[in-house]
Amino acid sequence: GAVVSQHPSRVICKSGTSVKIECRSLDFQATTMFWYRQFPKKSLMLMATSNEGSKATYEQGVEKDKFLINHASLTLSTLTVTSAHPEDSSFYICSAYLRDRGQFSYEQYFGPGTRLTVT
Amino acid sequence: GQNIDQPTEMTATEGAIVQINCTYQTSGFNGLFWYQQHAGEAPTFLSYNVLDGLEEKGRFSSFLSRSKGYSYLLLKELQMKDSASYLCAAMDSNYQLIWGAGTKLIIKP
Repeated sequence: GAVVSQHPSRVICKSGTSVKIECRSLDFQATTMFWYRQFPKKSLMLMATSNEGSKATYEQGVEKDKFLINHASLTLSTLTVTSAHPEDSSFYICSAYLRDRGQFSYEQYFGPGTRLTVT
Repeated sequence: GQNIDQPTEMTATEGAIVQINCTYQTSGFNGLFWYQQHAGEAPTFLSYNVLDGLEEKGRFSSFLSRSKGYSYLLLKELQMKDSASYLCAAMDSNYQLIWGAGTKLIIKP
């Protein structure tokens, strides 16, 4: 199956600093990646859709200047949380559709997630 | 508006069968997904239904009725490792996934 990795898996940062989270599709090309956040015991909340070579599409209520998304290649998307605050502490998960060698599936393959704690 | 409803929590006994229901309302429909999520981990894919009927995959089966906006996930021969949250997600006409809040399944010995 398709593999999506995320780095780091856990990060603790101080309030006011910026944190970058990487999402990589390891064995397939991903023209579209998704960034979610999840609070404890809550469902996934889509933050933005990351499109390779173009600007990300943000969901309503998500600050694009605070959550910077860059999708510079077919295998890498990054989410940077700028000027982090304690309320940004959450579980951030990326996912991608499988598009490889003519295959396309609407199944989203998820990265393992990044636990961000802002102190 | 778009909406997914599923029970918050269910409890079942090891070795038994459990059915997790999901109802959905979306703008257009391009399929219904079920994902399993263990605590602190990312979701993993279980099933995808776009046509009416039952899809069986080992101990897990998923059913869809498009006319009723209804799906269920059926888990047989429950094992302790099946304790997890089960997320229902419907894909709308824009191919966006609309997620339910998840059903926490507790398996008791």
